Amino acid sequence: GQNIDQPTEMTATEGAIVQINCTYQTSGFNGLFWYQQHAGEAPTFLSYNVLDGLEEKGRFSSFLSRSKGYSYLLLKELQMKDSASYLCAVRDVLMNSGGYQKVTFGTGTKLQVIP
Amino acid sequence: EAGVAQSPRYKIIEKRQSVAFWCNPISGHATLYWYQQILGQGPKLLIQFQNNGVVDDSQLPKDRFSAERLKGVDSTLKIQPAKLEDSAVYLCASSPQRNLAKSTDTQYFGPGTRLTVL
Repeated sequence: GQNIDQPTEMTATEGAIVQINCTYQTSGFNGLFWYQQHAGEAPTFLSYNVLDGLEEKGRFSSFLSRSKGYSYLLLKELQMKDSASYLCAVRDVLMNSGGYQKVTFGTGTKLQVIP
Repeated sequence: EAGVAQSPRYKIIEKRQSVAFWCNPISGHATLYWYQQILGQGPKLLIQFQNNGVVDDSQLPKDRFSAERLKGVDSTLKIQPAKLEDSAVYLCASSPQRNLAKSTDTQYFGPGTRLTVL
């Protein structure tokens, strides 16, 4: 099984930088996703890491350390529209499944951006 | 490219009634997922299909929930009978293929069906 932990809530100021952490435990790790979910909407893909290191995409960056079971999502130059939940999701290979993959989501971190 | 379609968007029923949700994935996507998302929580996988076969239904409450994807395209999820704790958003997602060599294989989510059980 998988165990994914991320903070429940965070608050940050417009224009600032915020880091959302995610720790996980899994047996057949094959990638970690970050999704953004605005209230009442479906999750949308932000980033993907499968190798150690930092992936940068505009104002968003995601970091992975497989040996530590740790990832973070970094949001720079925060805007009010960044207020949303941020979901960490871990993919692993299902045992005895012929290689099929399962994605398990964390509970999400609700980020509030204040003026 | 059309996204994942779901209907209905909202449904209100009384406990012990039955309800069905429909999902049409992105054209050509082999893998289809149904998730249950309770307010304040992350999505929980109920069932995963690869074409018309079930890959994982370990978290599906099989005494009351059922799902099918008969032709390997669209899918229905049914709850019979519903309980109060089934109140949640039911999300359908699809992804292109099972391919361990192609890492990204992002899931694309539909708008969800918000179910309220009274």
